[in-house]
Amino acid sequence: DAKTTQPNSMESNEEEPVHLPCNHSTISGTDYIHWYRQLPSQGPEYVIHGLTSNVNNRMASLAIAEDRKSSTLILHRATLRDAAVYYCILSPNNDMRFGAGTRLTVKP
Amino acid sequence: SQTIHQWPATLVQPVGSPLSLECTVEGTSNPNLYWYRQAAGRGLQLLFYSVGIGQISSEVPQNLSASRPQDRQFILSSKKLLLSDSGFYLCAWSVSDIAKNIQYFGAGTRLSVL
Repeated sequence: DAKTTQPNSMESNEEEPVHLPCNHSTISGTDYIHWYRQLPSQGPEYVIHGLTSNVNNRMASLAIAEDRKSSTLILHRATLRDAAVYYCILSPNNDMRFGAGTRLTVKP
Repeated sequence: SQTIHQWPATLVQPVGSPLSLECTVEGTSNPNLYWYRQAAGRGLQLLFYSVGIGQISSEVPQNLSASRPQDRQFILSSKKLLLSDSGFYLCAWSVSDIAKNIQYFGAGTRLSVL
């Protein structure tokens, strides 16, 4: 199965942009890149997904490298409510494997 | 709109007791359904997934089982709980779009086996 690699933790200051990286060097041509986040004591929530082109929605932006071997989730202005574990996942089938993710701490 | 219900929110059970966690989805038909477990401070582990009634795929050998008696109902069970079964159990659903497969999660059940 394709796998992803993310830093264990990152810190950001409130109201500053945050760039969360993800490496997926074994991605196949049909794999979608998904991002979820999990707030404390809650289930994960979908953030954004993409295939080849960069994507924007009301929550975040997703920048995908030209070779698709890495991607970056961009939070344009971090708030305290954005403190969560962020998961980068590839979706080849009806099965998504969540790794440990990146724990984002937002400092006021 | 679609909603997913998962209950109970918290559960404390003695070792050796049975378990039944229920998950139901509303507002969609023929969803893919999933059970995950998350140990404290860890990532999610996929336990079971189902693409239809009576169709269950198991990802990890364990003393847990899953059943899908109705299209939008997914049940996680155990005949005898172990201490290692403690964790945060999450149910999720997705539409039958294999390529995109966006999953929507319930609020979870925090199980403590004592």
